This record gives sequence, structure tokens and C-alpha cells, in this order.
Amino acid sequence: NAGVTQTPKFQVLKTGQSMTLQCAQDMNHNSMYWYRQDPGMGLRLIYYSASEGTTDKGEVPNGYNVSRLNKREFSLRLESAAPSQTSVYFCASSLRTLSSGNTIYFGEGSWLTVV
Amino acid sequence: SQQGEEDPQALSIQEGENATMNCSYKTSINNLQWYRQNSGRGLVHLILIRSNEREKHSGRLRVTLDTSKKSSSLLITASRAADTASYFCATDLLNFGNEKLTFGTGTRLTIIP
Repeated sequence: NAGVTQTPKFQVLKTGQSMTLQCAQDMNHNSMYWYRQDPGMGLRLIYYSASEGTTDKGEVPNGYNVSRLNKREFSLRLESAAPSQTSVYFCASSLRTLSSGNTIYFGEGSWLTVV
Repeated sequence: SQQGEEDPQALSIQEGENATMNCSYKTSINNLQWYRQNSGRGLVHLILIRSNEREKHSGRLRVTLDTSKKSSSLLITASRAADTASYFCATDLLNFGNEKLTFGTGTRLTIIP
């Protein structure tokens, strides 16, 4: 039971380079999310997708783009990486139900360093 | 600013003692959730309490919710070394969809063996 799988685990980029973080979930969840986590800042929502074919901006979307490729996959792209994007990135998914509310299931994180 | 703010930011206790951490929030909520994050790992859901509930238990966890004070507490009884982790509260806001689950900055709990 894989849950939420994201790749790569670690990546070092040079300023200006581009890259895509991949995420897939096998729980048949409708909603998927990308968060970033920085020391002292908690988790901040970058983008989310409430259902296949839809995406919306979260709290900190600048510098990022996303693609909801299908129900399982939600990718995050950095078009021109900046040192301020050095962070830990988490993909997550959820299925809102009456009993579970909006419980979110997280991947293991991707550590990104931009030099 | 964050919807949820945990207090204290860091807590160290002896194994076997109880650990209490608090969360305050600003706007009305559908429910409040607590998550745990072990070092270098993703967050894991612990417990959810709805806005019409005042207390909820799950194993050694006890969560309370006071909507009049916009606050919640998480109590871990008989702590173990394996409880060492960061704990986050997350609020599910009224009148918003899935996307509005907002996390606090966390309490870093250290259990001293």
C-alpha cells in the first residue's frame, strides 16, 4: 500500500534551472496538494487540485506551476529556480467524507536546494 | 499569518510524563486536526475533532476543543521515546472546500529516556 509517492527525494539545482517534482497517489482521492515547509513557517499551501482537471493557487504560488495529469498524478514545476525556493516539498491527497472530514495523507517529502 | 498557532514551540519532558501542547486559531472552523511529523518524514494524521465536539480520545491521545476560545489542546499521556516528533494542528475552515486545511508552525516534542 504505497499511499502518496513523490520523487525525487533530494535535488540540488542551480539558480535558473527548471525541474518537476512528481507525485502519485493510489488511494483514489479526489484532492491533491503541494505544500512547502520552511523552518519556523509551518506548512504553506502552494497549489491544490480539488478534482481531476482543476487546479487552484494556494498561499504561495509564485514561481510554481502544476499539472493534474489524471486522478492519480499531480506534478509541481519550478520554471526558473531561485534560492528562495530552497525548501522541503510535500505532496498530499485527501478524500473528504462525513466520517473522516478532510484528513490529508502526505508523501515523504522532497528536499530541494537551489544554489 | 498562520490560522493555527501551536504553543509551546518546543517541549522536553521525561519519558512517562504527560505532554500537553496547545493550538489557537482565528476564524470559525468545521473541524480541527492534529498531525505528527517525525524527523525527515511526512506528516501523519493523528486525530480529528469536529466543531460540535469538546473532547476526543484515541489511545494515549486526548484532544479538547473550546470553540468559544478558539483553542485546542493535545495531551499525550505516559509519553514514550517514540513520541519524539513535531506536532501540528490544522484547521478546516467553515465555508471553504478541501483546499483550506491550514497548518500551524508546530510544537517540537522531545521525550528524554
